[in-house]
Amino acid sequence: AQKITQTQPGMFVQEKEAVTLDCTYDTSDPSYGLFWYKQPSSGEMIFLIYQGSYDQQNATEGRYSLNFQKARKSANLVISASQLGDSAMYFCAMREGRGTSYDKVIFGPGTSLSVIP
Amino acid sequence: DAGITQSPRHKVTETGTPVTLRCHQTENHRYMYWYRQDPGHGLRLIHYSYGVKDTDKGEVSDGYSVSRSKTEDFLLTLESATSSQTSVYFCAMKEGVAYGYTFGSGTRLTVV
Repeated sequence: AQKITQTQPGMFVQEKEAVTLDCTYDTSDPSYGLFWYKQPSSGEMIFLIYQGSYDQQNATEGRYSLNFQKARKSANLVISASQLGDSAMYFCAMREGRGTSYDKVIFGPGTSLSVIP
Repeated sequence: DAGITQSPRHKVTETGTPVTLRCHQTENHRYMYWYRQDPGHGLRLIHYSYGVKDTDKGEVSDGYSVSRSKTEDFLLTLESATSSQTSVYFCAMKEGVAYGYTFGSGTRLTVV
């Protein structure tokens, strides 16, 4: 069963505007973590932001913020003031089993973001 | 100064041949992972390791095996390559609880 869902295969945003990339997840583990990664056309995977399941506040890293709604099991990424360099694939990911032998991260299918000048 | 490197970066191989991809880290991290990336699927976990000689299967492990004889090296072997294994393969290591994974640069494998 799909554990990470990203319903937007492709998104467009005007430069300097904000954009929200959707992510929903499914887990029965009470302790989990949520991540967002960026993959530009060059192919490398770049870690953007992390939210722990017990964190009380939404995570922020510069222009990135994670809108964490635990009851809805959603972890949307908000990019403020989009830049041309934000054009990339964005992956939502979830980590379960922290510190155990099954500590692993699974990824969603990704959302392709294109920033329009 | 990358703490994790993959080799080779590109490989073309024939159907039915064995192939080994190497992941090397210099950070002494316990956890390491192999993923494959295909359009529309994101990254799918093949195998992972939580210590020397401790490995387990991921969601797409059929046709793959791994070995980890020392902390710094995690090898992925395609026992008999098939065209469906044409993909980009990423290795990753776990940095810490809140820092996600650090990924290698990827290996583009083509099976003809």
